[in-house]
Amino acid sequence: DTGVSQNPRHKITKRGQNVTFRCDPISEHNRLYWYRQTLGQGPEFLTYFQNEAQLEKSRLLSDRFSAERPKGSFSTLEIQRTEQGDSAMYLCASSPGADYGYTFGSGTRLTVV
Amino acid sequence: AQRVTQPEKLLSVFKGAPVELKCNYSYSGSPELFWYVQYSRQRLQLLLRHISRESIKGFTADLNKGETSFHLKKPFAQEEDSAMYYCAPRPAAGNKLTFGGGTRVLVKP
Repeated sequence: DTGVSQNPRHKITKRGQNVTFRCDPISEHNRLYWYRQTLGQGPEFLTYFQNEAQLEKSRLLSDRFSAERPKGSFSTLEIQRTEQGDSAMYLCASSPGADYGYTFGSGTRLTVV
Repeated sequence: AQRVTQPEKLLSVFKGAPVELKCNYSYSGSPELFWYVQYSRQRLQLLLRHISRESIKGFTADLNKGETSFHLKKPFAQEEDSAMYYCAPRPAAGNKLTFGGGTRVLVKP
């Protein structure tokens, strides 16, 4: 197992386009998290899955954002009609349980032009 | 509201000097507390968690429930400690970590 894998590493898109990111967690980890990080800030929570169930979603997440984790393995995060304010690093993390820390991926850097 | 504050954006110390990174939280109950570190061009990684009471790379963190703080300390900083450090509490009955804004540590030779 090579840890948490995220693809693509970088994405440049035009405003108004849709983008989709993928996260492959550590296979034994049933919890999967998406965070967003902008320059000079700490990671900000977006959403959380336990197996295939999306159990929590940030109130900051607009309707343009959607995430899935079919079959409880990999996850995708889609942003529709991207805006310049969506430019950020999108981080995925997985964990085997609540008392454990997260293992993070390298992130996907999104630039909306 | 649940908040976590890291008051220092930047800490600059000389090699061999002590370093202390402050973290204050406003959570009810007994949150679980973590410190994460991000070295240059590397991914975020877990440094230590309160529940395990461990010392990693010479760092320790003391939970002060009265002051609701979880400061990270190292008695003798090394140049390889230069990195971004994030404090991250999790509510006792919660599922997710909330990250502070981070403190950049620069250890000068």
